[in-house]
Amino acid sequence: SQQGEEDPQALSIQEGENATMNCSYKTSINNLQWYRQNSGRGLVHLILIRSNEREKHSGRLRVTLDTSKKSSSLLITASRAADTASYFCATDDRSGYALNFGKGTSLLVTP
Amino acid sequence: DAGITQSPRYKITETGRQVTLMCHQTWSHSYMFWYRQDLGHGLRLIYYSAAADITDKGEVPDGYVVSRSKTENFPLTLESATRSQTSVYFCASSESPGTGIEQYFGPGTRLTVT
Repeated sequence: SQQGEEDPQALSIQEGENATMNCSYKTSINNLQWYRQNSGRGLVHLILIRSNEREKHSGRLRVTLDTSKKSSSLLITASRAADTASYFCATDDRSGYALNFGKGTSLLVTP
Repeated sequence: DAGITQSPRYKITETGRQVTLMCHQTWSHSYMFWYRQDLGHGLRLIYYSAAADITDKGEVPDGYVVSRSKTENFPLTLESATRSQTSVYFCASSESPGTGIEQYFGPGTRLTVT
């Protein structure tokens, strides 16, 4: 069953703007990951944030985690057309080995 | 080639036929996974494997069989394909997911059951 739910389902912005996607989850987590999926391709890992971290940066990506609200956000700054993709949050599933994915946010960045 | 590969990339089969999707990784990762991706459902875990000869069910295992005789290969078999198994299938691998390590995904197999 899905643990994470992304919001919004779809987002359309222009190049240079910032894109913010949110993820809410239901149960306690050890860590939360964000993945990107370009059309017709597999998922690519972007960033992982542990439950004892509140914020993490990687290049133009900024991830926050609020365990009290069971939510995370992914911010992409100065977006580019190449950022057009679907973005998924993922948490450890009950087995502790696999991942529970949300349904994703579809981001469209127009020139 | 290095990485994780899946074959075939596209497959059309008829209801009732057996079909096997192949997954191969070159990193010697212990853990391998099969997910299916459907509109409205995101990715759902079918089976996973912690090592050669060790497999376990995921969220949606019915109608699927897996095996792992070698660390690098993790084939997924649909014993008698049904239309509800039309989907995109992704294989993934990981060194040690229990510690929050990322998973590496293959390019996917788009399966259509007619």
